[in-house]
Amino acid sequence: AQKVTQAQTEISVVEKEDVTLDCVYETRDTTYYLFWYKQPPSGELVFLIRRNSFDEQNEISGRYSWNFQKSTSSFNFTITASQVVDSAVYFCALSEAQDGANNLFFGTGTRLTVIP
Amino acid sequence: DSGVTQTPKHLITATGQRVTLRCSPRSGDLSVYWYQQSLDQGLQFLIQYYNGEERAKGNILERFSAQQFPDLHSELNLSSLELGDSALYFCASRNRVGYGYTFGSGTRLTVV
Repeated sequence: AQKVTQAQTEISVVEKEDVTLDCVYETRDTTYYLFWYKQPPSGELVFLIRRNSFDEQNEISGRYSWNFQKSTSSFNFTITASQVVDSAVYFCALSEAQDGANNLFFGTGTRLTVIP
Repeated sequence: DSGVTQTPKHLITATGQRVTLRCSPRSGDLSVYWYQQSLDQGLQFLIQYYNGEERAKGNILERFSAQQFPDLHSELNLSSLELGDSALYFCASRNRVGYGYTFGSGTRLTVV
């Protein structure tokens, strides 16, 4: 069965610090997709990134970077030089290709607070 | 604006009542998913429709039902509401397997 674990429930950092949010997943499928979503205090879910299981190349987008390692089943998210606007709940999610619905299984989220 | 429209944004109703939540997917997206986000259960998949047909069911209660209409908009019907049904209900749409699921801004349901 699929599972997504975000062991860090809450993290607080001071502005300009770097922070890494951990995500560990379990799946028996060989083709799957991993996602990160941001949920700011306003409540909407904002798509950040999608990765398929065949692409282990790390990705950087501005202050955001993602480290995908199949060997450890991890898909970690790093924010460099954090800002107050980064304060939100971040969700990691998994979608399996063999699942007919291809729906998203979410982790429990990590609440990030950036202190000015 | 994500392109996925959910109405209403907020809903307050009494126990035992019935409500309907509406979702219009992003243009061209055939799949619609409904999710429930509650404090104790996190984000849970409820049900999926694809081009008007039910494709999969998740943790959806029998008191809840949904449908997708020919114009692809979807409605989630919640009946015999209980206090525990208070949650944020999200709709998401997708056009290709594994590609980004676009979420609406959600409907916050409060049952009193």
